[in-house]
Amino acid sequence: DQQVKQNSPSLSVQEGRISILNCDYTNSMFDYFLWYKKYPAEGPTFLISISSIKDKNEDGRFTVFLNKSAKHLSLHIVPSQPGDSAVYFCAARPHYGGSQGNLIFGKGTKLSVKP
Amino acid sequence: SQTIHQWPATLVQPVGSPLSLECTVEGTSNPNLYWYRQAAGRGLQLLFYSVGIGQISSEVPQNLSASRPQDRQFILSSKKLLLSDSGFYLCAWSVGTGGRETQYFGPGTRLLVL
Repeated sequence: DQQVKQNSPSLSVQEGRISILNCDYTNSMFDYFLWYKKYPAEGPTFLISISSIKDKNEDGRFTVFLNKSAKHLSLHIVPSQPGDSAVYFCAARPHYGGSQGNLIFGKGTKLSVKP
Repeated sequence: SQTIHQWPATLVQPVGSPLSLECTVEGTSNPNLYWYRQAAGRGLQLLFYSVGIGQISSEVPQNLSASRPQDRQFILSSKKLLLSDSGFYLCAWSVGTGGRETQYFGPGTRLLVL
């Protein structure tokens, strides 16, 4: 049972345009969400995170939006650059009372930004 | 600043052979340490995590094991590799227990079992 779903395995965007990467989750106990970017043969690097008490977090060209009622979050990259081409992973952490669980990752979306 | 090292970067092993992958973290004390595997076409699967020396928690049943002999050293092992053990193995670290800590990943080890 996949608790974190990235339904689009790939996305192609023109340089300068907006890239929107989507992520859906099923566990209502998730209260912290992260996005990671991964180049081939490298480890993922942390991009941006958001707590469930917020609905938006922005860092430069990257903005994450959280819609708790829809159990949906998205990563917006504006403007997209060729160097943004990578696999993007959505991750979520559940909170159970006084303790938190481990991160659960989606399968990733491969973004290709064309010059 | 903190850095995380993994070696080897690439490994080709025959089925039934043993495995030892090492991960070390520098620049931090008492980190939480994690082993993940990314199999072809799949996401990141948490295999083991450790909150301290000698403390290992396993997330999935498998023929792999983990050990933490020192504060900043995390080792992934197997006595006999299976074909299905092929994948990209990632070590990660974090600090704190508040639930808002970020995990930082190492460069990974690509394992091919033939």
